[in-house]
Amino acid sequence: AQKVTQAQTEISVVEKEDVTLDCVYETRDTTYYLFWYKQPPSGELVFLIRRNSFDEQNEISGRYSWNFQKSTSSFNFTITASQVVDSAVYFCALSRIGTSYGKLTFGQGTILTVHP
Amino acid sequence: DTEVTQTPKHLVMGMTNKKSLKCEQHMGHRAMYWYKQKAKKPPELMFVYSYEKLSINESVPSRFSPECPNSSLLNLHLHALQPEDSALYLCASSQEGNSGAYNEQFFGPGTRLTVL
Repeated sequence: AQKVTQAQTEISVVEKEDVTLDCVYETRDTTYYLFWYKQPPSGELVFLIRRNSFDEQNEISGRYSWNFQKSTSSFNFTITASQVVDSAVYFCALSRIGTSYGKLTFGQGTILTVHP
Repeated sequence: DTEVTQTPKHLVMGMTNKKSLKCEQHMGHRAMYWYKQKAKKPPELMFVYSYEKLSINESVPSRFSPECPNSSLLNLHLHALQPEDSALYLCASSQEGNSGAYNEQFFGPGTRLTVL
């Protein structure tokens, strides 16, 4: 069975602060994908990143960075110099590679509020 | 064009009504998905179509009936719904990558359904 845990239910920061969203996962598969999605108040889930299980390189995209550590089964997401527009629910997700048609196992989500 | 469109944006229906939700993508993706999302919860997978064939049905009640008329369109027919079916209904699509792996899913803006 697969499981994704986002222990932080809600985070509140002031604009320009850095913030890290934690994600821990469980799977028996040796190959899998990890994802982060953003869901603003409008409701649409916006794809942010996909990481393959055998690629442990960290990734940076503008103010966003991701730290994948297979040894601790974690895939954390950091927003540097947060902005009000970053306020949203963020979901970490996991999928098997091969037989499940890309079925996603989502974490419960972290609500991020960035105050001006 | 990385866009999934959904209509209508909002729908209010009575328990005896029949209505349909529509989803369209023109990214050439061969997998399409229906999700149901309740407030403050992650999306729950309902159905997966792969190459226009129903591949996954997550034990969804028969009052929800999916249809995939062609590779770009996905419908969800609704009949005799219950008030607890009120939720955000999200459509997504993804591309099949190498070795049968399915890549990231791109989501539409959703339909907010209210059942009276």
